[in-house]
Amino acid sequence: DAGVTQSPTHLIKTRGQQVTLRCSPKSGHDTVSWYQQALGQGPQFIFQYYEEEERQRGNFPDRFSGHQYPNYSSELNVNALLLGDSALYLCASSRGASLITGELFFGEGSRLTVL
Amino acid sequence: AQSVTQLGSHVSVSEGALVLLRCNYSSSVPPYLFWYVQYPNQGLQLLLKYTSAATLVKGINGFEAEFKKSETSFHLTKPSAHMSDAAEYFCAVSANSGYALNFGKGTSLLVTP
Repeated sequence: DAGVTQSPTHLIKTRGQQVTLRCSPKSGHDTVSWYQQALGQGPQFIFQYYEEEERQRGNFPDRFSGHQYPNYSSELNVNALLLGDSALYLCASSRGASLITGELFFGEGSRLTVL
Repeated sequence: AQSVTQLGSHVSVSEGALVLLRCNYSSSVPPYLFWYVQYPNQGLQLLLKYTSAATLVKGINGFEAEFKKSETSFHLTKPSAHMSDAAEYFCAVSANSGYALNFGKGTSLLVTP
């Protein structure tokens, strides 16, 4: 049973460019959440997708957008990259949106470096 | 808003010694609290969670945590450290009515022989 898979694992971009990160949830999971983890910090919630809609959003600008497909896979898009966007981007999936009744399973992340 | 503070960015213990990682929370509503572990170059793994049932929560790998409302704490403990416990540990509190997590900055646990 494959867990949460993310691609690419590493990438380098320059300021102003756009990036797309991809995530396949764990089998049987229908909800995908994205977190940003800066170096030496804890993860910060970006947004959550359920039934192909953004259900919850953290304190991130509109440059961060996402999408969820009918097969529950998801993309995170970041436009107009800034140096401060350099981080590990973690995708997490769950069965249902609630963390009280469910459990988040995290992927290994996509490490983005912005030069 | 709910938040957590982890006391001590680095903790070092000897193999076989007690592990104690500290977490204090701030919440205007009864909190749901979590501990996650992150090994190098891996994603986060849930160790345990408190959801207002028993105040002493047992998790995987011999870890447990006790919810103390009077102290607004949720410290993580393990009676005897193993070398394999060396990792980054994150305390988190639920936000957005249980749909997202607010993480602390993490505590790096070093286990020495």
